[in-house]
Amino acid sequence: GAGVSQSPRYKVAKRGQDVALRCDPISGHVSLFWYQQALGQGPEFLTYFQNEAQLDKSGLPSDRFFAERPEGSVSTLKIQRTQQEDSAVYLCASSSSWNRETQYFGPGTRLLVL
Amino acid sequence: AQSVTQLGSHVSVSEGALVLLRCNYSSSVPPYLFWYVQYPNQGLQLLLKYTTGATLVKGINGFEAEFKKSETSFHLTKPSAHMSDAAEYFCAVSYNNNDMRFGAGTRLTVKP
Repeated sequence: GAGVSQSPRYKVAKRGQDVALRCDPISGHVSLFWYQQALGQGPEFLTYFQNEAQLDKSGLPSDRFFAERPEGSVSTLKIQRTQQEDSAVYLCASSSSWNRETQYFGPGTRLLVL
Repeated sequence: AQSVTQLGSHVSVSEGALVLLRCNYSSSVPPYLFWYVQYPNQGLQLLLKYTTGATLVKGINGFEAEFKKSETSFHLTKPSAHMSDAAEYFCAVSYNNNDMRFGAGTRLTVKP
């Protein structure tokens, strides 16, 4: 596609519910990043993939957060047993192998945990 | 460790006035520096970036930024604000292409 797409755009979950957030990167981009953006804050790094390999997951806040990219394209961020503090916008970004320093961002998924 | 400080969470200017959004970074090695803009309910859009070479970087929509190593700064400027410039602006730093750190953001308001 022309840009990074994410779905759903909005998600309301009850506390304790599991959620799955999807990211479709720009076609051919090898690197994929997930960020968490709390209200009024800048994005914070969660995890990074190069193709299907998850090379850095140091930003994941707890073991309730899990990300995968099994075929090196689409990625899913899963949050188990959601808590209210998980409410945030989750941003996905991708970059190409020839322009690795420039990340292109999707519109984000706004998650609200009640 | 690298970090980014954006001075001023809110900046208000009149239409046609100079826009100056401040960003200072801390990094132990020469960084890559970025400015992104975020409109409501949208993702981040790259305005400009500094990697190597010329320290004055020109971006989209008439914005530019100057990398000043001695001041560890990368301030964003635009000579004349337009109403459509009203948005949230984020400065970011990276030095290994994988670990990008963002500032807290500056909300720009443009008054008619």
